[in-house]
Amino acid sequence: GENVEQHPSTLSVQEGDSAVIKCTYSDSASNYFPWYKQELGKRPQLIIDIRSNVGEKKDQRIAVTLNKTAKHFSLHITETQPEDSAVYFCAASTLPANFGNEKLTFGTGTRLTIIP
Amino acid sequence: AAGVIQSPRHLIKEKRETATLKCYPIPRHDTVYWYQQGPGQDPQFLISFYEKMQSDKGSIPDRFSAQQFSDYHSELNMSSLELGDSALYFCASREDSSNYGYTFGSGTRLTVV
Repeated sequence: GENVEQHPSTLSVQEGDSAVIKCTYSDSASNYFPWYKQELGKRPQLIIDIRSNVGEKKDQRIAVTLNKTAKHFSLHITETQPEDSAVYFCAASTLPANFGNEKLTFGTGTRLTIIP
Repeated sequence: AAGVIQSPRHLIKEKRETATLKCYPIPRHDTVYWYQQGPGQDPQFLISFYEKMQSDKGSIPDRFSAQQFSDYHSELNMSSLELGDSALYFCASREDSSNYGYTFGSGTRLTVV
């Protein structure tokens, strides 16, 4: 099955600086890579996703890059703000699914703290 | 827009009791996934259903069972509860065979005392 590794587990960044979180995956069949932001006790919220047919995607201060050959993808947050503080999870899956058997496999999470 | 509804939001049970968690997916979503998230942990996949049939199974204890009903809602039944079952339980739904991703419910926080 798929295995997703995520680094670092904790990250402290000065407000205004950039933050980068990296993930690797094992299953070459995976083609959908979402990133979730989770605040304490809340549901994982999708912040950005990328599919294997593109190498980069950007949405305002958030960008994701994907290297299919190396099987790794990264989240970049620029101009960080205090409200970016949360736990971030990467994940991998294969879409479209067939018969519901394509679950999300999560990384172990990165606790991001933005220092004012 | 309708979201994934989970109930109850919070549940406190004693050891060896039974708990039932419910998940109502987004209309037209035919696939439901259950995840367990312990404190400080990533969500762990438990079980999934497609068209009312179990489609995949993860690290779900034998004390747990689940099903998806004709209206596509799903229930996770947990018996002989242990302290270690205390966690956030998330349900996610999606439309199978589409390129759209997963939508998570707000979760049920189960505390076993």
